[in-house]
Amino acid sequence: EPEVTQTPSHQVTQMGQEVILRCVPISNHLYFYWYRQILGQKVEFLVSFYNNEISEKSEIFDDQFSVERPDGSNFTLKIRSTKLEDSAMYFCASGDISNTEAFFGQGTRLTVV
Amino acid sequence: RKEVEQDPGPFNVPEGATVAFNCTYSNSASQSFFWYRQDCRKEPKLLMSVYSSGNEDGRFTAQLNRASQYISLLIRDSKLSDSATYLCVVLEYGNKLVFGAGTILRVKS
Repeated sequence: EPEVTQTPSHQVTQMGQEVILRCVPISNHLYFYWYRQILGQKVEFLVSFYNNEISEKSEIFDDQFSVERPDGSNFTLKIRSTKLEDSAMYFCASGDISNTEAFFGQGTRLTVV
Repeated sequence: RKEVEQDPGPFNVPEGATVAFNCTYSNSASQSFFWYRQDCRKEPKLLMSVYSSGNEDGRFTAQLNRASQYISLLIRDSKLSDSATYLCVVLEYGNKLVFGAGTILRVKS
């Protein structure tokens, strides 16, 4: 069964460092998303991406964040200068042309120390 | 007002019980509605979409009331494996999924 894959599963980084979280969406999907979940809190929308551009972004997704689809398969989230409060589980998701279901990857646990 | 509001629970029920979860949403322009399930430290997984006409999938029944901006999930004959957090999710403009904080269900033998 096709699935969304994310790497790494866990990343520890020092405050102020840049991190890149990687995702390989399901191959024929057209819609891509990043969400995050701080431990014990709800899943929060960060950004949606369609047709090689951002279609919607949340207040959380400030200038420190960027997304890229560098080739036909990868979808990345970059955090330029990490803060302690960026520590969370980051989920990538993708949807097909009908966009009736978002398939989530298993997440990357980011710990900023 | 929270965009998607759920009773956090936990709901502690015995095996075989019927349990119902409710959810309200604030944006009347919301387009689609879902229930997701999330196991501890795992990714959310789609349980079912929710339609105004109501829909059923085995032991699970979902209902949407657009006028009241209210969504429900009914689980019949609860199993131990149903223990999880149930997330009420609304799709808004811009393909943005808005999640409720979730309702914890614990099914005990």
